[in-house]
Amino acid sequence: AQKITQTQPGMFVQEKEAVTLDCTYDTSDQSYGLFWYKQPSSGEMIFLIYQGSYDEQNATEGRYSLNFQKARKSANLVISASQLGDSAMYFCAMREFSGGYQKVTFGTGTKLQVIP
Amino acid sequence: NAGVTQTPKFQVLKTGQSMTLQCAQDMNHNSMYWYRQDPGMGLRLIYYSASEGTTDKGEVPNGYNVSRLNKREFSLRLESAAPSQTSVYFCASSEFRGANQPQHFGDGTRLSIL
Repeated sequence: AQKITQTQPGMFVQEKEAVTLDCTYDTSDQSYGLFWYKQPSSGEMIFLIYQGSYDEQNATEGRYSLNFQKARKSANLVISASQLGDSAMYFCAMREFSGGYQKVTFGTGTKLQVIP
Repeated sequence: NAGVTQTPKFQVLKTGQSMTLQCAQDMNHNSMYWYRQDPGMGLRLIYYSASEGTTDKGEVPNGYNVSRLNKREFSLRLESAAPSQTSVYFCASSEFRGANQPQHFGDGTRLSIL
């Protein structure tokens, strides 16, 4: 089974609208972290937001929020008031800790295009 | 404010040639990573170093070797390059302790093997 699944290869959103990018994960660990990264066409990886497995509240960072549903093992990224500069690839990632060993797994990404 | 620096940014090799990709971070992070990114496959971990003096294989280590030269530097070596190793390579660093520590990425090295 895939550790991180992003089922939307591509998404379109109208400028100023909100959009949700889906991410589901699979782990048997109790302690883990979930991250979202943005990769614009220029290629760099930009950290957006983090959610810990023990965090009771959903993470928010400016226009980004994370809809964390632990029982469903989902960690969807919500971008409010989309801007043209939000057009990029978005990657969900999970960091697991088990007996001192750490592993980071990335999903295959979602390409978001914001339409004027 | 350099963060993670990778060199070179672009490289073209012939099959069978060897090459070392360099990575240095100035954030005093303990952990460093090498990933490759191929179309439609996200980022796949090649090797990582949890702390100075240790290295471990990731998901796709075959054909690569790494050296954690010191706390700042983590290099990736292709001993005999193959066309299947054509990819974009990213180096990243993070703190080891604390699940909430994000990885900080370099700008990538675009490697083509003919």
